Amino acid sequence: AQSVTQLDSQVPVFEEAPVELRCNYSSSVSVYLFWYVQYPNQGLQLLLKYLSGSTLVKGINGFEAEFNKSQTSFHLRKPSVHISDTAEYFCAVRSESTDYKLSFGAGTTVTVRA
Amino acid sequence: NAGVTQTPKFQVLKTGQSMTLQCAQDMNHNSMYWYRQDPGMGLRLIYYSASEGTTDKGEVPNGYNVSRLNKREFSLRLESAAPSQTSVYFCASSQNRGGIDEQFFGPGTRLTVL
Repeated sequence: AQSVTQLDSQVPVFEEAPVELRCNYSSSVSVYLFWYVQYPNQGLQLLLKYLSGSTLVKGINGFEAEFNKSQTSFHLRKPSVHISDTAEYFCAVRSESTDYKLSFGAGTTVTVRA
Repeated sequence: NAGVTQTPKFQVLKTGQSMTLQCAQDMNHNSMYWYRQDPGMGLRLIYYSASEGTTDKGEVPNGYNVSRLNKREFSLRLESAAPSQTSVYFCASSQNRGGIDEQFFGPGTRLTVL
């Protein structure tokens, strides 16, 4: 079985400040990891994904995430946020044993203030 | 290229009424999915279809039925709506069954059951 825990439900941050969203997963087998973003009243959009190789993954809009196998974490970071980054962010995991099934975390709402 | 489209965008039902949520994709994807999104719970898989003519249950299938009408269309039916089915419903599609491909999401249907 696999599960995803997003450690923060709400993250308020000032514009141009850095932000980190924490994600931990549990799985008995190797995993593929994803971060999705949901802007208000829209569907989900892929930010980045880790499949294999380099543990530092770069995505769209200046976001990056680091896969840490020993800590079973996949934290998302951005060095300087904009007002337009206000959204809900979801971490998701898919294991090799259940290749079609994405398990999502509960989500982290990021609110960027001027 | 519209991606994944869903109709309707909003719907209010009374307990016991039935309705069908429609989803279509124009990306020639093989796999399609239905999720529900509830506050604090992320997205949960209701049903998925790995290819035309096949459907399988996800995490929360009770109270729902699906039809993969053709490669483009995947509908979700509520036969007798209940207040517990008040949620936002997302349809998604991906190229292959399982693997490491990205899922593309529709804009969602916001359903309220009174």
